[in-house]
Amino acid sequence: KAGVTQTPRYLIKTRGQQVTLSCSPISGHRSVSWYQQTPGQGLQFLFEYFSETQRNKGNFPGRFSGRQFSNSRSEMNVSTLELGDSALYLCASSPETGRAGELFFGEGSRLTVL
Amino acid sequence: SQQGEEDPQALSIQEGENATMNCSYKTSINNLQWYRQNSGRGLVHLILIRSNEREKHSGRLRVTLDTSKKSSSLLITASRAADTASYFCATDANDYKLSFGAGTTVTVRA
Repeated sequence: KAGVTQTPRYLIKTRGQQVTLSCSPISGHRSVSWYQQTPGQGLQFLFEYFSETQRNKGNFPGRFSGRQFSNSRSEMNVSTLELGDSALYLCASSPETGRAGELFFGEGSRLTVL
Repeated sequence: SQQGEEDPQALSIQEGENATMNCSYKTSINNLQWYRQNSGRGLVHLILIRSNEREKHSGRLRVTLDTSKKSSSLLITASRAADTASYFCATDANDYKLSFGAGTTVTVRA
């Protein structure tokens, strides 16, 4: 089975631009979560989707948004980029339908904002 | 904000030695999980222990959970160079997310 695939792996943007990151979960997994990892704040939860519904959202400004498609693929978007948005964005999928179980992570998308 | 705090922040050991790291958390949980991350890559799930379990083993890994103290420990026995990584505890508080600790960086010297 293929693992969680995140694209792009690396990207560089400038302040004020927007970015869209993509995540393809493991086949059959319907839950997709996103996390932001920075040296200062560690791993911070962004959002979780199941069957196209957002079930939880972390404490991030409205510039951070996401969605999930009917095939369980997910995208997240960050608008009006700030320097502090530079981070490794990790997507994870899970076969669990209820509470969080084991998460399967992708390799991440490393965003640099200049 | 992070649910868990890990101790120590960094650990350096000789190959063959055991490595122990601890995790404390703040709220009631359904389960606690440990993950490994190699240098800026994705996280890999190591082990999950449910709130009604006290100890669990998986290969060279041993995890304990003390819900009365809201703490967990991860023991890696007979460490290898390949165990060099950051280790994170993560708690599931029944809210469709995991809350991660700050992590322990383990370096295994040959």
